[in-house]
Amino acid sequence: DQQVKQNSPSLSVQEGRISILNCDYTNSMFDYFLWYKKYPAEGPTFLISISSIKDKNEDGRFTVFLNKSAKHLSLHIVPSQPGDSAVYFCAASAYMDSNYQLIWGAGTKLIIKP
Amino acid sequence: ETGVTQSPTHLIKTRGQQVTLRCSSQSGHNTVSWYQQALGQGPQFIFQYYREEENGRGNFPPRFSGLQFPNYSSELNVNALELDDSALYLCASSLDSQAYNEQFFGPGTRLTVL
Repeated sequence: DQQVKQNSPSLSVQEGRISILNCDYTNSMFDYFLWYKKYPAEGPTFLISISSIKDKNEDGRFTVFLNKSAKHLSLHIVPSQPGDSAVYFCAASAYMDSNYQLIWGAGTKLIIKP
Repeated sequence: ETGVTQSPTHLIKTRGQQVTLRCSSQSGHNTVSWYQQALGQGPQFIFQYYREEENGRGNFPPRFSGLQFPNYSSELNVNALELDDSALYLCASSLDSQAYNEQFFGPGTRLTVL
């Protein structure tokens, strides 16, 4: 039972344009949502997060939007740069099985074309 | 300040054997979490240690166990290895045990079980 879904395994975007990465979830008890970026042979690095009581959070070129009624969040990257080429993971935080856990999506590989 | 390191980088074991994976957290981080990432999937939470005590556990059997030491190092032990244990194992350190706060990941250990 996948509680966090990233339905696009990959996405190709022209440099300078907007990249939009999507994530859907099923559990209404998630209290925070996070995006992590992963380069090959490296561990994931934290990018941006949003509390479930907010609908938008912005940090430089990165903006995360949360639509609670649709159980959907998206990460916007504007403008896209070659260094943004990586795998992006959506993760959600919830208290379950007596502890806080992060539940991760399968990731979306973003390719920025020059 | 050094980042999170893991050893070994790669490891090959046979079914039924035991394995120990090691992680060195960032100085000052009293929380370490371990994740299993199968090919094409997102990381799955195994367990978390906070100040040398297990602080939470995901849906993994008891043959997955861990230790955390006062010097910011930690271990993941897996007994009676099974073929499905083949995966990338990631450790992540953080300042506290809340899953929604930034975690700093190591590059991972790639375990292959034959």
